[in-house]
Amino acid sequence: DAGVTQSPTHLIKTRGQQVTLRCSPKSGHDTVSWYQQALGQGPQFIFQYYEEEERQRGNFPDRFSGHQFPNYSSELNVNALLLGDSALYLCATQDLNTGELFFGEGSRLTVL
Amino acid sequence: AQSVAQPEDQVNVAEGNPLTVKCTYSVSGNPYLFWYVQYPNRGLQFLLKYITGDNLVKGSYGFEAEFNKSQTSFHLKKPSALVSDSALYFCAVRDGGGGATNKLIFGTGTLLAVQP
Repeated sequence: DAGVTQSPTHLIKTRGQQVTLRCSPKSGHDTVSWYQQALGQGPQFIFQYYEEEERQRGNFPDRFSGHQFPNYSSELNVNALLLGDSALYLCATQDLNTGELFFGEGSRLTVL
Repeated sequence: AQSVAQPEDQVNVAEGNPLTVKCTYSVSGNPYLFWYVQYPNRGLQFLLKYITGDNLVKGSYGFEAEFNKSQTSFHLKKPSALVSDSALYFCAVRDGGGGATNKLIFGTGTLLAVQP
């Protein structure tokens, strides 16, 4: 049983560009959350998708947007990249019975 | 608003000694608390959680955590540290209480270094 998978694992962009990160959930999980982990910080909640709709959102600007597909996979899009967007982006899916979050290994974004 | 605090950036302990990683919380209502571990260049792995019940919660890899309501703490412990326990540890609280899909709010993390 594959866990949460994310792609790409690493990428480098320049300021002003746009990026799309992808996440496939753990089998049987239908709720996908995205977190941003800046260097030396704990993960910060970006948003959560369920039934292809954004259900909760953290304190992130509209430059951050997402999508969930019918197969429960999800994308995170960031427009007009800033240097401060450099971080590890983590996708997490949830076991609704236990409340446990399962994290992918993340996509490390560097903005130059 | 819910929050957690991890007062130590780093904890150093010798292999074989007991370890404690501290976490305090601030919540309105009942706390739902979690510990996660992150190895270098990896995602977070679930260790244990406190929802209700016994104040001593047992988790993965021999870790346990003690919930203390009067001190609003949820410290992570292990009786005998291993070098392989060296990693970054995060305490987290579920926002908004009981909703299973509510987001987690993480602390800033504590780096555990176990010396051989």
